[in-house]
Amino acid sequence: DTEVTQTPKHLVMGMTNKKSLKCEQHMGHRAMYWYKQKAKKPPELMFVYSYEKLSINESVPSRFSPECPNSSLLNLHLHALQPEDSALYLCASSQGDRGRNTEAFFGQGTRLTVV
Amino acid sequence: DQQVKQNSPSLSVQEGRISILNCDYTNSMFDYFLWYKKYPAEGPTFLISISSIKDKNEDGRFTVFLNKSAKHLSLHIVPSQPGDSAVYFCAASGWNSGGSNYKLTFGKGTLLTVNP
Repeated sequence: DTEVTQTPKHLVMGMTNKKSLKCEQHMGHRAMYWYKQKAKKPPELMFVYSYEKLSINESVPSRFSPECPNSSLLNLHLHALQPEDSALYLCASSQGDRGRNTEAFFGQGTRLTVV
Repeated sequence: DQQVKQNSPSLSVQEGRISILNCDYTNSMFDYFLWYKKYPAEGPTFLISISSIKDKNEDGRFTVFLNKSAKHLSLHIVPSQPGDSAVYFCAASGWNSGGSNYKLTFGKGTLLTVNP
């Protein structure tokens, strides 16, 4: 099983709304990631969690708030977003240990539209 | 500063021929390289990877070649099939000096079109 599941698949939210994106994996991976992808651009790293601790924050605005409740789950809480935050949000996971295979497996993404 | 570069935005090949997708990198700390395939509005799908201690890795129709001295890798698909038409991203990973943070850096992608 190399599946990373993201919900919802699509989300439309207003600029005053609060919403959350969810990600789940059952591969025993200890590293989980949030990426943002705009059209015709590569995925851009937002956050990395390693062993349930935030290890990388790529200077992401505070209106994006990640949370890792346990080793299988990763959330991204959204509040007061701007229309330019509309994008495909991708979750990924990898084994997370140096010296082991470091392929990251991605979910299908959440297509977010901020209106 | 773009650390992973895919200089060809697009590539078109005939079905049955070889597709060669190229990627260059600048960061000598990268020690693992990956290729992903992506369809519109979907997440990237892992295809094949190679460690920096190897120069070739093969999986079915897909072969990745790594030239460390040139900081160059390539993905060969042979024979190419229409279903291979997608955006292909090259990615590189490395750890920070403390060994605590692992990061995957993507190139801009190459759109491969395989014509029947």
